[in-house]
Amino acid sequence: QVQLQESGPGLVKPSGTLSLTCAVSGGSISSSNWWSWVRQPPGKGLEWIGEIYHSGSTNYNPSLKSRVTISVDKSKNQFSLKLSSVTAADTAVYYCARGNVVPAAVNWFDPWGQGTLVTVSS
Amino acid sequence: QSALTQPASVSGSPGQSITISCTGTSSDVGGYNYVSWYQQHPGKAPKLMIYDVSNRPSGVSNRFSGSKSGNTASLTISGLQAEDEADYYCSSYTSSSTQVFGTGTKVTVL
Repeated sequence: QVQLQESGPGLVKPSGTLSLTCAVSGGSISSSNWWSWVRQPPGKGLEWIGEIYHSGSTNYNPSLKSRVTISVDKSKNQFSLKLSSVTAADTAVYYCARGNVVPAAVNWFDPWGQGTLVTVSS
Repeated sequence: QSALTQPASVSGSPGQSITISCTGTSSDVGGYNYVSWYQQHPGKAPKLMIYDVSNRPSGVSNRFSGSKSGNTASLTISGLQAEDEADYYCSSYTSSSTQVFGTGTKVTVL
């Protein structure tokens, strides 16, 4: 079955750019799914960041849109997240997840990666 | 987009039933039957429990059920068990082609 694994630096300096990658195994990133990033600050709730289709089409959370870029690398079967101008408020566990597609919508997320903690600190 | 509203905490004794609400707007919960629910134990990734308002994925106990009325969706856990103690989040597709999560509910088994 499909498995997702996040990777990237666990510590990012303020004003820098957070970069994470999600490797997809057991299935193709070119399947009919959207691929999402979700984050969770320590002790807080889930926040959807954005998603990408294998064609490169993206949708972003309006509150983060100006700082977020999600890209896909079909040759490596992975997708990536870049979040610029980070502050301590961006400290969170970042998850990647597969979004199931129904006509014109994503209706649920499964599976999820195990998550990776990114701390923004000097 | 604003997070969907859930109660911060719900508790119940073993064997009882509890219900968690998830209130949104006509642009998300009320406008689509694309509400899903996730269970999250401490330090773990969320797990899909309900999709499309009331459908259970294979392997999820039939003690979990979902429903929706207007702009509010609900998750009911019947026959509450100790292993059900966790955080629960709802999620919905929105009219902006985005996703929004609920504020989260901590379920305590007394």
